[in-house]
Amino acid sequence: QKEVEQDPGPLSVPEGAIVSLNCTYSNSAFQYFMWYRQYSRKGPELLMYTYSSGNKEDGRFTAQVDKSSKYISLFIRDSQPSDSATYLCAMGRGNNRLAFGKGNQVVVIP
Amino acid sequence: SAVISQKPSRDICQRGTSLTIQCQVDSQVTMMFWYRQQPGQSLTLIATANQGSEATYESGFVIDKFPISRPNLTFSTLTVSNMSPEDSSIYLCSVAGTSGLGTGELFFGEGSRLTVL
Repeated sequence: QKEVEQDPGPLSVPEGAIVSLNCTYSNSAFQYFMWYRQYSRKGPELLMYTYSSGNKEDGRFTAQVDKSSKYISLFIRDSQPSDSATYLCAMGRGNNRLAFGKGNQVVVIP
Repeated sequence: SAVISQKPSRDICQRGTSLTIQCQVDSQVTMMFWYRQQPGQSLTLIATANQGSEATYESGFVIDKFPISRPNLTFSTLTVSNMSPEDSSIYLCSVAGTSGLGTGELFFGEGSRLTVL
């Protein structure tokens, strides 16, 4: 079983829709939970970071962590064409060595 | 934040040859990380490079295949040796952030896209 599971299927949504992404993990030692955004032909950039169960909001983005279920989610409200990118979940144990999901390619159609 | 420059941005290589990727950071950093991103696969850590010591390789990666140099606190190289088509991938250099988030905040270069024929 992989440490981090992220269904890599592409996702196309109309502009203004809510985008919902999620990952599951198997290692209860993970303490840090992140979402990275990667535009085409660019490196990943940190989008959201949390280390506790619950919700964290930043503008149109909400990261949700449920440690009891080993499940994390990212929600994008009022999606924009500029949100079109690949979103990678990532988890860490405190030593800068992260485990990444496979990523979801999101396309927001104007 | 850190600005990371990688060279080359892309290359097409012949089977059996080796290629060295360079990574330059605009500030001094203790740890630099090399990742591989294969199509349809997770971003995978190859090794951690600390200045003044041998790189630490992850399971499945060996020094003979991926030798790493770290001559100073702003520069590192990754060599992909004796390449085969299975080495076709994007190779990414990254460094840890220092904004107080602790671990998990990584800055990445734009990647080096290698195609091996």
